[in-house]
Parts: sequence; C-alpha cells; structure tokens
Amino acid sequence: GQNIDQPTEMTATEGAIVQINCTYQTSGFNGLFWYQQHAGEAPTFLSYNVLDGLEEKGRFSSFLSRSKGYSYLLLKELQMKDSASYLCAVRDYSGGYQKVTFGIGTKLQVIP
Amino acid sequence: DAGITQSPRHKVTETGTPVTLRCHQTENHRYMYWYRQDPGHGLRLIHYSYGVKDTDKGEVSDGYSVSRSKTEDFLLTLESATSSQTSVYFCAISDSAAREPRQPQHFGDGTRLSIL
Repeated sequence: GQNIDQPTEMTATEGAIVQINCTYQTSGFNGLFWYQQHAGEAPTFLSYNVLDGLEEKGRFSSFLSRSKGYSYLLLKELQMKDSASYLCAVRDYSGGYQKVTFGIGTKLQVIP
Repeated sequence: DAGITQSPRHKVTETGTPVTLRCHQTENHRYMYWYRQDPGHGLRLIHYSYGVKDTDKGEVSDGYSVSRSKTEDFLLTLESATSSQTSVYFCAISDSAAREPRQPQHFGDGTRLSIL
C-alpha cells in the first residue's frame, strides 16, 4: 500500500513564497504529481516529477527526492487566486497496472 | 479540456436505494478511476479500471461495485446506499504511463451525492 503525508493547512502572504511538503512510501514508484483544487471544483494538474531534481513551470516548481520519498511544491509571488488545496499524488504499479493515490491535500490560504 | 462527463452532477436519494454514477470519456484512455472526496480524508480511490472488463479495488471499495463494458464508460454502483456514502465522487482518466509517462490524470467535474 501507500502512505502519503502533507500538512493539512498553511497560510502565506500575497507576494511571498510558500513551500508545501509531501512525503510518501510506496513499493513501485512511477511518478509524483501535484494538483491544485479550488473549493467546489475538480483537481487540475500542476506538475510531474519522476526523476530526482527540480521541475520549474512559471511561478510553480516541484522537487523530488526518490531516495528520501520526499517532494515539495514551491509557489512564488503568491497571488490571492492561489488560495486553494494542493494535492500530492503518487503513481505506482500494483500487480503490473498503474494506480494513483492522493494525499489528504494542503489547504493554502493567501492573505493580503 | 479532456473529454470527461460525469452524470448525474447532483443526486439526493434515500438509504437502501441503489445508485449508479456514470463516467464517460472521449479520449480513448486506458485507465479510469473512481474517487470519493470527504473533508479530512482527501481523495480516496474506490475502484479503478485498466481496460474493458478489467477492474481492481482501491482503498475504500466496500459497498461499491464497478463495471466497464466499453472503453469510454465506467460505472460506479452503490447497491444499497448508506448515509456514510454521502460524498463528492470524482471520475478520472489517464493514458498508459508506458506510452505517455508525463501525462497526468484528468478529472470530471464531480457528482455530489447525498443519501438521507
């Protein structure tokens, strides 16, 4: 099975930088995803990591360390619209087929 | 946007009644998933499918069954609904990681199910 941990809530100030951490345990790791979910809406894809290192995409970056079972999502130049839940998800192969499991999500509140 | 349609979008029903939720995709993706999302629990996998007639259980499969008779449709059935199954249900699709490793799951808009 899988175990994915991330903080439940975070608060940050508009214009600042925030880092959301995710730790995981899995037997057949095949990629880690970050999603953004605004209240009442479906999750939308933000980033993907399968190799160690940093992936940058505009204001958002995601880092992965497979040996440590650790990832983080970095949001720069925070805007009010970044207030949302951020979901860490791990894909692994279970019996030869891929399965994706989500963490509980981190609710980020951006304040003026 | 990925072509995923969930129906119905909202449903209110009574305890003990059968309920079927439908997920329809137009992307010809191999994998389809059903999740439920509840406060304090996040998205939890109910069942998933890796091909026509090929399905497997997720972490919260008790009380749910699924069927996939065509590539484009994945049905979730609550045989006898209980109040604990009140939730928001999301369907997701993805292509094979072997073919498109960077491709994420794409989600439908969700079904809000209330069981009284």
